[in-house]
Amino acid sequence: GDSVTQMEGPVTLSEEAFLTINCTYTATGYPSLFWYVQYPGEGLQLLLKATKADDKGSNKGFEATYRKETTSFHLEKGSVQVSDSAVYFCAQYNQGGKLIFGQGTELSVKP
Amino acid sequence: DAGVTQSPTHLIKTRGQQVTLRCSPKSGHDTVSWYQQALGQGPQFIFQYYEEEERQRGNFPDRFSGHQFPNYSSELNVNALLLGDSALYLCASTGRFRGREEQFFGPGTRLTVL
Repeated sequence: GDSVTQMEGPVTLSEEAFLTINCTYTATGYPSLFWYVQYPGEGLQLLLKATKADDKGSNKGFEATYRKETTSFHLEKGSVQVSDSAVYFCAQYNQGGKLIFGQGTELSVKP
Repeated sequence: DAGVTQSPTHLIKTRGQQVTLRCSPKSGHDTVSWYQQALGQGPQFIFQYYEEEERQRGNFPDRFSGHQFPNYSSELNVNALLLGDSALYLCASTGRFRGREEQFFGPGTRLTVL
Protein backbone atom coordinates (compact mmCIF):
# COMPACT_ATOMS: atom_id res chain seq x y z
CA GLY A 1 0.00 0.00 0.00
CA ASP A 2 0.88 3.66 -0.08
CA SER A 3 3.50 4.68 2.45
CA VAL A 4 6.06 7.33 3.44
CA THR A 5 9.50 6.62 4.87
CA GLN A 6 11.68 9.26 6.54
CA MET A 7 15.21 9.14 7.82
CA GLU A 8 15.34 8.35 11.48
CA GLY A 9 16.22 10.96 14.04
CA PRO A 10 17.08 12.64 16.13
CA VAL A 11 19.16 14.92 13.96
CA THR A 12 21.38 17.28 15.91
CA LEU A 13 23.01 20.25 14.15
CA SER A 14 24.82 23.40 15.08
CA GLU A 15 23.27 26.73 14.21
CA GLU A 16 23.88 27.76 10.56
CA ALA A 17 24.55 24.16 9.47
CA PHE A 18 23.00 22.66 6.33
CA LEU A 19 19.98 20.45 6.85
CA THR A 20 18.75 17.49 4.82
CA ILE A 21 15.94 15.21 5.94
CA ASN A 22 15.32 12.37 3.53
CA CYS A 23 11.84 11.26 2.56
CA THR A 24 10.74 8.63 0.07
CA TYR A 25 7.27 7.43 -0.77
CA THR A 26 5.43 4.59 -2.43
CA ALA A 27 2.16 5.34 -4.16
CA THR A 28 -0.10 3.83 -6.77
CA GLY A 29 -0.76 7.19 -8.40
CA TYR A 30 0.78 10.64 -8.32
CA PRO A 31 0.12 12.07 -4.88
CA SER A 32 0.69 15.56 -3.62
CA LEU A 33 3.60 15.71 -1.18
CA PHE A 34 3.92 17.74 1.99
CA TRP A 35 6.25 18.60 4.82
CA TYR A 36 4.65 19.41 8.16
CA VAL A 37 6.36 20.74 11.28
CA GLN A 38 5.33 20.11 14.85
CA TYR A 39 6.74 22.24 17.64
CA PRO A 40 6.71 20.87 21.19
CA GLY A 41 3.21 20.63 22.60
CA GLU A 42 1.56 21.89 19.43
CA GLY A 43 -0.37 20.54 16.47
CA LEU A 44 0.84 20.23 12.89
CA GLN A 45 1.69 23.19 10.70
CA LEU A 46 2.07 22.91 6.96
CA LEU A 47 5.62 23.88 6.02
CA LEU A 48 5.57 23.38 2.24
CA LYS A 49 4.02 21.29 -0.47
CA ALA A 50 4.38 20.17 -4.07
CA THR A 51 1.57 18.84 -6.20
CA LYS A 52 3.34 17.38 -9.24
CA ALA A 53 6.68 16.04 -10.43
CA ASP A 54 9.58 18.53 -10.50
CA ASP A 55 7.62 21.05 -8.45
CA LYS A 56 9.66 22.72 -5.72
CA GLY A 57 7.94 23.73 -2.52
CA SER A 58 9.56 26.40 -0.38
CA ASN A 59 8.84 28.33 2.79
CA LYS A 60 10.88 30.03 5.53
CA GLY A 61 14.16 28.98 3.87
CA PHE A 62 13.13 25.32 3.61
CA GLU A 63 12.88 23.65 0.20
CA ALA A 64 11.86 20.26 -1.18
CA THR A 65 11.62 19.05 -4.78
CA TYR A 66 9.13 16.39 -5.93
CA ARG A 67 11.28 13.75 -7.66
CA LYS A 68 9.11 11.17 -9.41
CA GLU A 69 12.06 9.17 -10.76
CA THR A 70 13.43 8.55 -7.26
CA THR A 71 10.06 8.82 -5.46
CA SER A 72 11.61 11.29 -3.06
CA PHE A 73 10.80 14.64 -1.46
CA HIS A 74 13.86 15.50 0.63
CA LEU A 75 13.68 18.56 2.89
CA GLU A 76 16.62 20.99 2.85
CA LYS A 77 17.61 24.25 4.48
CA GLY A 78 20.87 26.05 3.92
CA SER A 79 21.32 27.51 7.41
CA VAL A 80 19.29 26.24 10.35
CA GLN A 81 18.43 28.26 13.43
CA VAL A 82 17.73 27.22 16.99
CA SER A 83 14.08 28.12 16.37
CA ASP A 84 13.90 25.38 13.70
CA SER A 85 14.12 22.72 16.42
CA ALA A 86 10.97 20.63 16.00
CA VAL A 87 9.69 17.36 14.59
CA TYR A 88 9.29 17.26 10.81
CA PHE A 89 6.82 14.99 9.05
CA CYS A 90 6.77 14.09 5.38
CA ALA A 91 3.33 13.16 4.05
CA GLN A 92 1.50 12.26 0.87
CA TYR A 93 -2.09 13.11 0.00
CA ASN A 94 -3.72 10.53 -2.21
CA GLN A 95 -6.92 10.54 -4.22
CA GLY A 96 -8.73 8.98 -1.30
CA GLY A 97 -8.50 12.27 0.51
CA LYS A 98 -6.32 11.25 3.42
CA LEU A 99 -2.80 12.16 4.44
CA ILE A 100 -0.28 9.36 4.92
CA PHE A 101 2.56 10.43 7.20
CA GLY A 102 6.08 9.25 7.79
CA GLN A 103 7.20 8.53 11.32
CA GLY A 104 8.70 11.96 11.82
CA THR A 105 12.26 13.23 12.23
CA GLU A 106 13.22 15.19 15.31
CA LEU A 107 15.59 18.08 14.65
CA SER A 108 17.59 19.69 17.43
CA VAL A 109 19.65 22.79 16.62
CA LYS A 110 22.28 23.86 19.14
CA PRO A 111 23.57 27.45 19.41
CA ASP B 1 -11.48 33.37 12.37
CA ALA B 2 -10.30 31.03 15.13
CA GLY B 3 -9.10 28.39 12.69
CA VAL B 4 -9.60 24.77 13.69
CA THR B 5 -10.44 24.35 17.35
CA GLN B 6 -10.50 21.20 19.45
CA SER B 7 -11.74 20.44 22.92
CA PRO B 8 -10.72 19.49 25.45
CA THR B 9 -6.97 20.08 25.25
CA HIS B 10 -6.16 17.32 27.71
CA LEU B 11 -8.14 14.39 29.03
CA ILE B 12 -7.42 11.55 31.43
CA LYS B 13 -9.56 8.42 31.40
CA THR B 14 -9.31 4.89 32.74
CA ARG B 15 -9.45 1.64 30.81
CA GLY B 16 -12.94 0.64 29.73
CA GLN B 17 -14.34 4.16 29.81
CA GLN B 18 -15.72 6.06 26.86
CA VAL B 19 -14.53 9.44 25.58
CA THR B 20 -15.83 12.11 23.21
CA LEU B 21 -13.54 14.61 21.52
CA ARG B 22 -14.79 17.64 19.64
CA CYS B 23 -13.61 19.62 16.64
CA SER B 24 -14.84 22.83 15.04
CA PRO B 25 -13.50 23.33 11.52
CA LYS B 26 -12.20 26.53 10.06
CA SER B 27 -14.94 28.83 8.85
CA GLY B 28 -15.99 27.82 5.33
CA HIS B 29 -14.59 24.30 5.56
CA ASP B 30 -16.98 21.38 5.17
CA THR B 31 -14.79 18.30 5.62
CA VAL B 32 -13.32 17.03 8.86
CA SER B 33 -10.70 14.32 9.25
CA TRP B 34 -9.43 12.73 12.45
CA TYR B 35 -5.94 11.41 13.08
CA GLN B 36 -4.33 9.56 15.98
CA GLN B 37 -0.73 10.38 16.81
CA ALA B 38 0.92 8.01 19.27
CA LEU B 39 4.00 9.24 21.08
CA GLY B 40 6.99 9.37 18.77
CA GLN B 41 4.96 8.37 15.71
CA GLY B 42 3.42 10.06 12.72
CA PRO B 43 -0.33 10.71 12.67
CA GLN B 44 -2.53 7.83 11.51
CA PHE B 45 -5.78 8.49 9.64
CA ILE B 46 -8.90 7.42 11.55
CA PHE B 47 -11.76 8.65 9.35
CA GLN B 48 -13.16 11.57 7.41
CA TYR B 49 -16.59 13.19 7.47
CA TYR B 50 -18.30 15.15 4.72
CA GLU B 51 -21.95 16.16 4.55
CA GLU B 52 -22.53 14.38 7.86
CA GLU B 53 -21.44 11.03 6.44
CA GLU B 54 -18.30 9.00 7.03
CA ARG B 55 -16.61 9.17 3.66
CA GLN B 56 -13.46 7.18 4.32
CA ARG B 57 -12.06 5.16 7.17
CA GLY B 58 -8.59 4.05 8.17
CA ASN B 59 -7.56 0.84 9.87
CA PHE B 60 -9.20 1.45 13.23
CA PRO B 61 -11.66 -0.79 15.10
CA ASP B 62 -15.35 -0.07 15.46
CA ARG B 63 -14.68 1.25 18.96
CA PHE B 64 -13.78 4.45 17.13
CA SER B 65 -16.82 6.23 15.79
CA GLY B 66 -17.66 9.72 14.79
CA HIS B 67 -20.29 12.20 13.84
CA GLN B 68 -20.54 15.40 11.87
CA PHE B 69 -23.19 17.99 12.61
CA PRO B 70 -25.01 20.30 10.18
CA ASN B 71 -22.65 23.14 11.14
CA TYR B 72 -19.73 20.88 10.04
CA SER B 73 -18.35 20.42 13.54
CA SER B 74 -17.45 16.87 14.43
CA GLU B 75 -17.07 14.47 17.33
CA LEU B 76 -14.80 11.49 17.74
CA ASN B 77 -16.02 8.83 20.16
CA VAL B 78 -13.90 6.01 21.51
CA ASN B 79 -15.54 3.22 23.50
CA ALA B 80 -13.97 0.65 25.82
CA LEU B 81 -10.72 2.58 26.09
CA LEU B 82 -7.44 0.67 26.05
CA LEU B 83 -4.06 1.82 27.31
CA GLY B 84 -2.93 1.88 23.68
CA ASP B 85 -5.50 4.55 22.88
CA SER B 86 -3.33 7.09 24.71
CA ALA B 87 -2.30 9.55 22.01
CA LEU B 88 -2.69 13.02 20.59
CA TYR B 89 -5.87 13.17 18.54
CA LEU B 90 -5.72 15.67 15.72
CA CYS B 91 -8.57 17.10 13.74
CA ALA B 92 -8.03 18.52 10.26
CA SER B 93 -10.54 20.59 8.35
CA THR B 94 -10.56 20.86 4.58
CA GLY B 95 -12.23 23.33 2.30
CA ARG B 96 -11.74 25.41 -0.80
CA PHE B 97 -10.38 28.94 -0.84
CA ARG B 98 -10.13 30.86 -4.11
CA GLY B 99 -10.62 27.62 -6.01
CA ARG B 100 -7.85 25.74 -4.23
CA GLU B 101 -8.20 23.06 -1.61
CA GLU B 102 -6.71 23.91 1.75
CA GLN B 103 -6.36 21.91 4.92
CA PHE B 104 -5.55 23.01 8.47
CA PHE B 105 -4.90 21.03 11.62
CA GLY B 106 -6.16 21.84 15.06
CA PRO B 107 -3.90 21.85 18.14
CA GLY B 108 -5.06 18.38 19.16
CA THR B 109 -6.49 16.70 22.24
CA ARG B 110 -4.03 14.79 24.41
CA LEU B 111 -5.78 11.65 25.72
CA THR B 112 -4.17 9.64 28.50
CA VAL B 113 -5.68 6.26 29.41
CA LEU B 114 -4.66 4.88 32.79
